[in-house]
Amino acid sequence: GAVVSQHPSWVICKSGTSVKIECRSLDFQATTMFWYRQFPKQSLMLMATSNEGSKATYEQGVEKDKFLINHASLTLSTLTVTSAHPEDSSFYICSARDHPRGTEAFFGQGTRLTVV
Amino acid sequence: GEDVEQSLFLSVREGDSSVINCTYTDSSSTYLYWYKQEPGAGLQLLTYIFSNMDMKQDQRLTVLLNKKDKHLSLRIADTQTGDSAIYFCAESLRAVDTDKLIFGTGTRLQVFP
Repeated sequence: GAVVSQHPSWVICKSGTSVKIECRSLDFQATTMFWYRQFPKQSLMLMATSNEGSKATYEQGVEKDKFLINHASLTLSTLTVTSAHPEDSSFYICSARDHPRGTEAFFGQGTRLTVV
Repeated sequence: GEDVEQSLFLSVREGDSSVINCTYTDSSSTYLYWYKQEPGAGLQLLTYIFSNMDMKQDQRLTVLLNKKDKHLSLRIADTQTGDSAIYFCAESLRAVDTDKLIFGTGTRLQVFP
């Protein structure tokens, strides 16, 4: 299957700072990318959907000014957690698809964010 | 609604079959998926089924779909210790300009010798 690379795998940051997470599709063009958040022993919660060149569509309850998503190219999407706080500590996973309505989405390995 | 429910935990003996169940609420789902997640890792797609199908088999995996009851199941034959992981079902919902995946609560499968 296609490969989606997420970087970094883990990051620790101080409260109040911003953190950027990258999601790259290595061998296909990712028309659509999804960002999920997963709390320990819980399911994946969809945060936002982004189509290349368009503004991201955020799910209800997700602050778009806090979680900035940029999908400037067909192989790269970034999630920036601004002014991070301990409650933002979580496992963030991106997913990419080569068509807005394709059958399969490929997942990155996830980024564990710890805010201290 | 977008609630996808699964039982939280399943324990089976190595060599037995495992059946993981999932119920979803949106009848307009086009595809339904099963993903596997190992500790600290991303998600691996195991299989998917189109909503107009009843069954799909892929090696040790069998997916059954009861669209009337909005019930999906994954059967793993000859379960191995390497199958121990969390299994998520997911439904594909049609949004305005894209299809988005909504995940179930996850079932932790533990396989013991």
